[in-house]
Amino acid sequence: GEDVEQSLFLSVREGDSSVINCTYTDSSSTYLYWYKQEPGAGLQLLTYIFSNMDMKQDQRLTVLLNKKDKHLSLRIADTQTGDSAIYFCAETKPGGSYIPTFGRGTSLIVHP
Amino acid sequence: ETGVTQSPTHLIKTRGQQVTLRCSSQSGHNTVSWYQQALGQGPQFIFQYYREEENGRGNFPPRFSGLQFPNYSSELNVNALELDDSALYLCASSVKTSGSYNEQFFGPGTRLTVL
Repeated sequence: GEDVEQSLFLSVREGDSSVINCTYTDSSSTYLYWYKQEPGAGLQLLTYIFSNMDMKQDQRLTVLLNKKDKHLSLRIADTQTGDSAIYFCAETKPGGSYIPTFGRGTSLIVHP
Repeated sequence: ETGVTQSPTHLIKTRGQQVTLRCSSQSGHNTVSWYQQALGQGPQFIFQYYREEENGRGNFPPRFSGLQFPNYSSELNVNALELDDSALYLCASSVKTSGSYNEQFFGPGTRLTVL
């Protein structure tokens, strides 16, 4: 199977919270990331978490990491229409090169 | 400070042709990575260049090759194009320092269509 798996679509109402989930297979992953890709644009790093942490908060974004279940989630509070984009989960493995392995992406649609 | 730029933005080629894509890294960055993003997929790592030498390669055939220049800009060359090479090609630059995480900054990509 894939190294990093995500559900493909999520639809939420403006103002609600969004939770995007990701599972990964490699327990030796060092860092886990969330990237955002808007139409016609490259990837923007939103946040990342080191594998020895279980939570990280940055303004409206909260990342939760469950190492036992190899599960990562991104919560966006007070979701806005400008948050509509594709969100990619990624991991890097030990070895020094920090090349991320990406999931297929979750398309977040925010409707009024 | 300019970000990562890529050219061209779009390109149409036919099977069997060769293509060169270009990337200018962010000022002060010495490392460039290239990714292929097929429609509906996440980016797949092609290779990375650090100080003009290849510094890691993903699962891509030798017809995918690259260069990094002294000013750290980079080219991705693809020979003998196949239909499956149609994708968005992303370049990312970073500053390589030993033992610590280096954020990659992505360009907007080049959309390649092979007919």
